[in-house]
Amino acid sequence: GENVEQHPSTLSVQEGDSAVIKCTYSDSASNYFPWYKQELGKGPQLIIDIRSNVGEKKDQRIAVTLNKTAKHFSLHITETQPEDSAVYFCAAKGGGSYIPTFGRGTSLIVHP
Amino acid sequence: DTAVSQTPKYLVTQMGNDKSIKCEQNLGHDTMYWYKQDSKKFLKIMFSYNNKELIINETVPNRFSPKSPDKAHLNLHINSLELGDSAVYFCASSHTKETQYFGPGTRLLVL
Repeated sequence: GENVEQHPSTLSVQEGDSAVIKCTYSDSASNYFPWYKQELGKGPQLIIDIRSNVGEKKDQRIAVTLNKTAKHFSLHITETQPEDSAVYFCAAKGGGSYIPTFGRGTSLIVHP
Repeated sequence: DTAVSQTPKYLVTQMGNDKSIKCEQNLGHDTMYWYKQDSKKFLKIMFSYNNKELIINETVPNRFSPKSPDKAHLNLHINSLELGDSAVYFCASSHTKETQYFGPGTRLLVL
């Protein structure tokens, strides 16, 4: 089955800096890669996703890149703000699967 | 207008009790899920229903029983609660094999 590794487990940055979270996956058949943000006391919320026919996708201050050859994808957050502090999860899913495989999460702390 | 809702938000109970958590979605999705999130934040799939049919049943004690009365509802009943059941339980929904949307979670504490 699919295996998703996520690094780092904790990331601490100063407000205004950039943050990068990296994930690798094992199943070359995976073709859908969502990213979720979980704020304290809330459920995971989809913030951006990318499909395997695209190498990069951007939405304001967040972007995701995908390298299918190396089987890794990354989340980039620019100009971080304290409200970006949360746990971020990456996930990978094949077209025939009902459920994605989640990474173990990255706790992002943005210091004012 | 909440998309995926769960009740209750908090549940504190004694060992050995039986409890239920309810989930409803108004997104028109045909697939619903239950996840367990432990203290280390790991999201573990427990069950999934597609059009009211059980399609995923991971290695979960049979004290946990899901029930889907219709496509918009998926409830979770837990018998004989144990200390190790303490966790946050998330319901999610999606169109078949598409993006999942999560509820706000139910924080269960077993004393």
